[in-house]
Amino acid sequence: KNEVEQSPQNLTAQEGEFITINCSYSVGISALHWLQQHPGGGIVSLFMLSSGKKKHGRLIATINIQEKHSSLHITASHPRDSAVYICAPYPRLHTGNQFYFGTGTSLTVIP
Amino acid sequence: KAGVTQTPRYLIKTRGQQVTLSCSPISGHRSVSWYQQTPGQGLQFLFEYFSETQRNKGNFPGRFSGRQFSNSRSEMNVSTLELGDSALYLCASSLGSAGGSTDTQYFGPGTRLTVL
Repeated sequence: KNEVEQSPQNLTAQEGEFITINCSYSVGISALHWLQQHPGGGIVSLFMLSSGKKKHGRLIATINIQEKHSSLHITASHPRDSAVYICAPYPRLHTGNQFYFGTGTSLTVIP
Repeated sequence: KAGVTQTPRYLIKTRGQQVTLSCSPISGHRSVSWYQQTPGQGLQFLFEYFSETQRNKGNFPGRFSGRQFSNSRSEMNVSTLELGDSALYLCASSLGSAGGSTDTQYFGPGTRLTVL
């Protein structure tokens, strides 16, 4: 049983394109994090959301708590955005897992 | 401020051995979480330590254990290694005051463990 579903699993885009990555989850959450993992393993936390929308530069994250859905958008994509993007809902009721994790979306941006 | 450091970065062990991994958090951070990442299972939460106490635990067997010292440095131990324990082990530190949900997690570079 997957508590978190991400789509698409793989995404190839041309530089400059607008990109959307989706995350749906089935548990009640108190927050959701978006993570970025570059080749080699390093993970960076991009956003923490509990409601609404956040924007950092070309990245925008939105969440709809009622629909249990979050999206990560990248405007004017660039080859340096190539990475795996992982959504991580934080369950309201701990079941032994501090975070659930999506399987990740592997993004490749071609110059 | 120095980031999260993990040692060693790479490790090769054989089945049945045990291993200890180390994580030094960002100065001032009191929470350290450990994660296992494999191609098949993705990222999975192992456990979280806050102020030397285990605060949360994932669904891993008792062979996986950890501890945290008074300076917030943490170690993770895996005993009786199995082939399936081959993975990237990541630790992340955070302030810890919000109980985890709204804390930004800062990840270390990981330790890549290979079990032969």
